[in-house]
Formats: sequence, C-alpha cells, structure tokens
Amino acid sequence: KAGVTQTPRYLIKTRGQQVTLSCSPISGHRSVSWYQQTPGQGLQFLFEYFSETQRNKGNFPGRFSGRQFSNSRSEMNVSTLELGDSALYLCASSLGGWSGRYEKLFFGSGTQLSVL
Amino acid sequence: AQSVTQLDSQVPVFEEAPVELRCNYSSSVSVYLFWYVQYPNQGLQLLLKYLSGSTLVESINGFEAEFNKSQTSFHLRKPSVHISDTAEYFCAVSDQWGAAGNKLTFGGGTRVLVKP
Repeated sequence: KAGVTQTPRYLIKTRGQQVTLSCSPISGHRSVSWYQQTPGQGLQFLFEYFSETQRNKGNFPGRFSGRQFSNSRSEMNVSTLELGDSALYLCASSLGGWSGRYEKLFFGSGTQLSVL
Repeated sequence: AQSVTQLDSQVPVFEEAPVELRCNYSSSVSVYLFWYVQYPNQGLQLLLKYLSGSTLVESINGFEAEFNKSQTSFHLRKPSVHISDTAEYFCAVSDQWGAAGNKLTFGGGTRVLVKP
C-alpha cells in the first residue's frame, strides 16, 4: 500500500510569488491535514480537509489556503510568499470519521519550500 | 487552548545508555497523547500513544512512556539506546472530543544524538 505522497519534494520561490503544494493520501483515506514545520515555530497545524470540506483550521493568515478534491487528494496554496514562509510542509492522512475518535495519522515526507 | 512543552531541545547520550525525554502539557479538556519520531529528511512516524487505560504504554522498539495526569506529563524513556535511535522526537496532544478532528498540538521537539 503506497504511503502519503507529497510533491514536489523541494521548491524554491521568491518573495511575492505564490506556490501550490500537492498531497496524495493513502488509498481509502478521506481526511488530509497540513502542518508547517520551521526551526523557530516548530510544527504548527494549518488545516484539515474531509470530504472536500475544511473541517478545522489553525491560526495562519488568509494567504494560506487549501482544498480537497473528490478523490481526496489535497492541495495547499500560499500566495504572496514571505521569507518567513520558508518551511517544511507536511501532509498527513487518516481514514476520516467522526470527530473525537482517535485515528492514526500517516505523514508524508514533506515539501521543503525555500523563499528567497 | 493547549500547549506542549518539551523541556530539553537536545539530548546527547552514549550508545546502550538510558535516555528520558520530558514532555509536559496543558489543556482544559481531556486529551490523547502521542510521541512521534522524525528521522533526517523524513516525515513523522508515530512511536506510541496514550488513549486511555494503562498509563504505561510501550512501542515495539523498546520505548515506553507514562501518562501522569496529576503532573500533566508524558515522559518518554528507553533503557538502552542504539545508534539508530538518533532522531528528533516530538510530543503531541489532541482533543479527545469535539470538532478538533486530527488537529495535533506539538512540542518543540528533542534532538537525540546517540554517540558510539
């Protein structure tokens, strides 16, 4: 069974540009979550999508957005990039069920974004 | 709101020596507790979890963690480390109930460097 796949693995952008990252969850998983990992702020929750709907959201500015397609694949977009957006962006998937029940999260290897 | 504090950012340890990674959390609601491990250039892997029941939980590779509700702690221990345990370890919590979905709150991480 293939794991969570994130593309691309590395990205270099300049300030002011926008970027789109992609995440393909494990087959059968309907929930996709995104996390930002930086040396200064650590791991922070961005948002979660389930059945093409945003189910939960972290404390990030509106420049960070996401969406989920009918096949559960998800994309996140960052507009008007800033230097501080340089980070490893991790995607995680789970089966997706009723909130409040524990579900194991499976993480991808991440997309390393560098903003110059 | 929840917060997780990992008291040590780096822990150097000699091979075959014991190691303890400390984790304290703060939450106004009941939580699930997790330890994740991240090897270089990889995503996160679940090491072990506490959901309910016995406060001592174990992983298949010799790690164990104990949930202490009165001290709001979930420290991770291994009696004898191997070179392959060199990695970064993250403590995390999530709400047991409500609309939190798969939102994890992470600590800042502890880098374990095992020396021969």
